[in-house]
Amino acid sequence: DIQMTQSPSSLSASVGDRVTITCRASQSISIYLNWYQQKPGKAPKLLIYGASTLQSGVPSRFSGSDSGTHFTLTISGLQPEDFATYYCQHTYTVPYTFGQGTKLQIK
Amino acid sequence: QVQMVQSGTELKKPGASVTISCKASGYTFNDYYVHWVRQAPGQGLEWMGWINPKNGGTNYARTFKGRITMTRDTSLGTVYMDLASLRSDDTALYFCARDRDDFTGTTAELLHWGQGTLVTVSS
Repeated sequence: DIQMTQSPSSLSASVGDRVTITCRASQSISIYLNWYQQKPGKAPKLLIYGASTLQSGVPSRFSGSDSGTHFTLTISGLQPEDFATYYCQHTYTVPYTFGQGTKLQIK
Repeated sequence: QVQMVQSGTELKKPGASVTISCKASGYTFNDYYVHWVRQAPGQGLEWMGWINPKNGGTNYARTFKGRITMTRDTSLGTVYMDLASLRSDDTALYFCARDRDDFTGTTAELLHWGQGTLVTVSS
């Protein structure tokens, strides 16, 4: 199975900051990588698919990039509603494993 | 609008089985794969498998093979997930989720989610 290693596991930042979350795949997954945001007690929300395509309706301060097996989610200009947990997920082959999550907290 | 509405909370004893339903509306049921994802308390997300509502085809994570069955009822626009031989570590919030787009095959870009069904396994 492909393993997804996400870092950091937690992150403290302030409103207006720029933050980056990384996800590394244990093997090549092309660009079959999604990013989700999850708030407590709620279902995840799809932010980015195909490593860098922004889902419709998601603010443009969210962006994704890839470099081989290394993927990043960047939030430019944090807003109060962005404090949540973020997960990457590969969709290259089953099982479509998720990263362990990054909890973004207010500093 | 697209809605995925799941059945309610379940309390089960170890060794029992649970069936969770996920009723879809607002789109053509047959056209989009549905996946199941679970989340243990305070833990991350775990992909369980998918079902193709058009033909009932399934693909399960190896972790669950032999214990999991996904089915659908096209007349009701509902998919079901059965998990057997429950253990305490199956205690989790279970989600159904629909693909973002209706490509041939699944992209597993999970755009529309159910509200989650809490399953507690305890003696």
